[in-house]
Amino acid sequence: KNEVEQSPQNLTAQEGEFITINCSYSVGISALHWLQQHPGGGIVSLFMLSSGKKKHGRLIATINIQEKHSSLHITASHPRDSAVYICAVRSVRGTSGSRLTFGEGTQLTVNP
Amino acid sequence: NAGVTQTPKFQVLKTGQSMTLQCAQDMNHEYMSWYRQDPGMGLRLIHYSVGAGITDQGEVPNGYNVSRSTTEDFPLRLLSAAPSQTSVYFCASSRDRLYEQYFGPGTRLTVT
Repeated sequence: KNEVEQSPQNLTAQEGEFITINCSYSVGISALHWLQQHPGGGIVSLFMLSSGKKKHGRLIATINIQEKHSSLHITASHPRDSAVYICAVRSVRGTSGSRLTFGEGTQLTVNP
Repeated sequence: NAGVTQTPKFQVLKTGQSMTLQCAQDMNHEYMSWYRQDPGMGLRLIHYSVGAGITDQGEVPNGYNVSRSTTEDFPLRLLSAAPSQTSVYFCASSRDRLYEQYFGPGTRLTVT
């Protein structure tokens, strides 16, 4: 079992829909990252969080440390949100704390 | 600022050839890392560096060497390319391992 599991693997939505992508992890962490990979391949960091909730524009990220779970929400989705969304965790274990462990990503397609 | 730059964007090698993937950042970041991305798998850490002169192995270091002689540059060397090293390679940097990471545009490598 991977340390970081994302669901769903693929998600298709209509423009304007509310979208949720989930991330579950199995290790103690110091931080969780949400990343966006554009169709052209570039990767950008969306959020880094260790507790609670963060919001940036139409994107909201939440984390529940006790349940080892995080969600990424997109409100009023738009075709330009189509991308792969990647969850990554930074473990607290020894030298592993220096590295991120990544989920496989969720492919989101938003149709007009 | 150019951010994180990688060269080349594309490369085709024959089995047994060696080459160096270049990575540079102009943000004075101490932490730099190399990842590979393969279909059906999350990004995996190859090597990382917490500052000039300091490097360490990641999850999949075999077949790769790194050095960090300056804060700006973190080249990745393939010693003797193998088809299993066909992948997309990303370089990333951050102020510290606890901060958000900035990714380069990636290098798509094919080994025949």
